[in-house]
Amino acid sequence: AQSVTQPDIHITVSEGASLELRCNYSYGATPYLFWYVQSPGQGLQLLLKYFSGDTLVQGIKGFEAEFKRSQSSFNLRKPSVHWSDAAEYFCAVAPGGSGTYKYIFGTGTRLKVLA
Amino acid sequence: EPEVTQTPSHQVTQMGQEVILRCVPISNHLYFYWYRQILGQKVEFLVSFYNNEISEKSEIFDDQFSVERPDGSNFTLKIRSTKLEDSAMYFCASSGGRSYNEQFFGPGTRLTVL
Repeated sequence: AQSVTQPDIHITVSEGASLELRCNYSYGATPYLFWYVQSPGQGLQLLLKYFSGDTLVQGIKGFEAEFKRSQSSFNLRKPSVHWSDAAEYFCAVAPGGSGTYKYIFGTGTRLKVLA
Repeated sequence: EPEVTQTPSHQVTQMGQEVILRCVPISNHLYFYWYRQILGQKVEFLVSFYNNEISEKSEIFDDQFSVERPDGSNFTLKIRSTKLEDSAMYFCASSGGRSYNEQFFGPGTRLTVL
């Protein structure tokens, strides 16, 4: 069965420090991969997505993610975190190819930023 | 830029009552979805809908739930007799057109069952 694992439930970093949020997936083929950010009580904002091609993907707000097929990972990175980045981050997976299918979300990583 | 809209933003209801959550997908999209997020938990798939019928549903989507596309623009989720555990944020999403492999999410409806 398809699954998404975000091993870190909480992460705390200091403002200005670098950030890496981990995401591993279990799926037979290359899936479509997404990162979303959610502030408390708010909706889901798409940070970036990977469908195919270049494995390093640039997103909004200075975020990037790298797809590593050999590790079944799609980790999110940011070189310098801002206090406004404090939020919950969700990795999501969908089957690749034509047609549209359900997204499977990870359990999320809550990011806290220290001033 | 087109977006998915949902109404109401917050719905409070008594246990046992019926609720209808409404969504207006992006106009040229053909695939529609509902997801649920219980407070503090991950987002979970409920149901997908295409060509006026359910294409996939999760085990959460039991007989208390139904979906409908009553006209050319709305997509609704009905919960027939709400339970306390139905309290959650419900997200509608749509895909299709030139972005068939990406789902666009609405802002969500927070359902509170008392």
